[in-house]
Amino acid sequence: DIQMTQSPSTLSASVGDRVTITCRASQSISRWLAWYQQKPGKAPKLLIYQASTLESGVPSRFSGSGSGTEFTLTISSLQPDDFATYYCQQFNNYPRTFGQGTKVEIK
Amino acid sequence: QVQVVQSGGEVQKPGASVKVSCKASGYTFTTYAFSWVRQAPGQGFEWMGWLNTNNGNTNYAQKFQGRVTMTTDTSTSTAYMELRSLRSDDTAVYYCAREKIDSADAFHVWGQGTMVTVSS
Repeated sequence: DIQMTQSPSTLSASVGDRVTITCRASQSISRWLAWYQQKPGKAPKLLIYQASTLESGVPSRFSGSGSGTEFTLTISSLQPDDFATYYCQQFNNYPRTFGQGTKVEIK
Repeated sequence: QVQVVQSGGEVQKPGASVKVSCKASGYTFTTYAFSWVRQAPGQGFEWMGWLNTNNGNTNYAQKFQGRVTMTTDTSTSTAYMELRSLRSDDTAVYYCAREKIDSADAFHVWGQGTMVTVSS
């Protein structure tokens, strides 16, 4: 199975900050990576797919980059609605594995 | 609009089975597949398996082989996930998530989740 490792596990930031989350795959997954946002008690929401394609309706302050084994999710200017947990997931093969999550907290 | 609505929460005893449903609307049901994913309390996500709604083909995670069955009823646009021989560590929120049948690139649409509690 492909292992997905996110860093950091927790991130404290302020409104307006630029935030970057990293996701590393244990083997190359080309660009088959998705990013989700999850708030407590809610289903995840897709933000980015194919490493850098913004899902329709997602604010442009979210962006993704990377290929192979290293990927990043960037929030250019953190907004109050962005405090949540973020997960990466690979779609290169089965099983569809997820990172362990990065919780973005208010500083 | 595209919607996926799951069945309500369940409480089951150890050793029992649970069957969760996922009803789709707003698109042609057989043009997308579903994956089932679970999330234990305070934990991350665990992919359980995949169901092709067009032909009924499945691909189960090795961990759940022999204990899970994913099926579809195209007449009602509903996908099902049955998990048998429940244990306390099966307590989790179970999600269905829609993906492309070919060249899947993400779970674009998620159900709202179904809480399954396993307790004696």
